[in-house]
Parts: sequence; structure tokens; C-alpha cells
Amino acid sequence: GAGVSQSPRYKVAKRGQDVALRCDPISGHVSLFWYQQALGQGPEFLTYFQNEAQLDKSGLPSDRFFAERPEGSVSTLKIQRTQQEDSAVYLCASSFGLNYEQYFGPGTRLTVT
Amino acid sequence: AQTVTQSQPEMSVQEAETVTLSCTYDTSESNYYLFWYKQPPSRQMILVIRQEAYKQQNATENRFSVNFQKAAKSFSLKISDSQLGDTAMYFCAFMKQNTGTASKLTFGTGTRLQVTL
Repeated sequence: GAGVSQSPRYKVAKRGQDVALRCDPISGHVSLFWYQQALGQGPEFLTYFQNEAQLDKSGLPSDRFFAERPEGSVSTLKIQRTQQEDSAVYLCASSFGLNYEQYFGPGTRLTVT
Repeated sequence: AQTVTQSQPEMSVQEAETVTLSCTYDTSESNYYLFWYKQPPSRQMILVIRQEAYKQQNATENRFSVNFQKAAKSFSLKISDSQLGDTAMYFCAFMKQNTGTASKLTFGTGTRLQVTL
């Protein structure tokens, strides 16, 4: 596609529910990143994939957060047993490779009630 | 670890005027990249400009230019001839240069720019 796409754009979950957020990177981009953006803040790094390999997950806030990219293209960020503090915008970004700029998707706004 | 500081939470500028957004960073890395991203209310983060730390020449992109002072660890963005469409949050971001794997972006807290008539 022309850009990074994410779905859904908005998600409301009740506390304790599991959610899955999808990211479709730009075709041919080997690097994929997930960021979490709290209201009024800059994005914060969650995890990074190079093709299908998850090379850095140091930013995942707890073991309730899990990400995968099984075929090196589409990625899914899963949050189990959601808590109110998980409410944020989740941004996906992709880049062509090392030391290239990252292109962002529109984000998924998650609200946990 | 790297930190990025944007000390201006909000700024306002009149249409057609020039405005400068400030950014400072702290790092022990020698090789890195700096970026300015724009995030309009629609939320899509858009790359505005990129600077390689090894380049002494300041990057320019149409109405956007930077003042990169490596020794001072300063990276400001100048917007000339401001337009209403420039209204957005602006984020300064740092990325260290890597070999073998890509690097994450470290963002500042952002500056909300309002362009007025």
C-alpha cells in the first residue's frame, strides 16, 4: 500500500478484556516498530521487528503485552487483561532498513473502561 | 540512554511569519540522526526534516530548516512563511546510528504550534 495502515482506528475495551491491534507496514519495509503515546506526550518505544524476528522488546511495559510478525509483514500487538493505564494511542511505524527514517501509521486509540 | 527535551509546550505564530521551535538532547553517542515530526490533529505522524549528525550543513526542506549545533546538543526547527496547515504538534526525535539492527526513535514531549490569521 501507499502508507502504513492500522486497524482498528478506535477500540474501547472493558477492563480485563484482551485486545489485538493490527499494523500493515509499507511494502518492502523490513523494520517495524510499535510505540505507545499517552495523552499529551511523545510516543514511547515498545518493540521492534526486523522481518519476522523480534529483536528488541525492552519497551513492553508488562508481560500482558505481546507482539508478533510471523511472516515478516503484518504485525499484531496483543494486550491481555487490559487495565486502565493501557489507555493510549498505539502507533506503528516501518522503515526500509537500518538508519532510514520511520513512517508512521494513523494509530489505534485504545480506551479501557 | 538518550533524552530529548522540548521546553516550549505551546507556541503561536501569525500566518506568513517565522517561528523557531527548540530542542535539546543528551547522548554519549557519536553517530546519530535527528528528526522533526509533525502530528496534526488527525494524528498521523509526518516526517518534516532529517539531520545526520556527521553533516555540518544544516538540513533544509522548503519552508523548514534546522539549526544543528552538535557541541551544544541543540536542534531547533525554523518554519518560514507559516501557513494555517502548519498547525500541529511538533516532535523532536533522536535515533542512534546502528549496524546490524535498526534503532528506535526517542521523542521529546512535543510543542503545540498554533498558526493564526
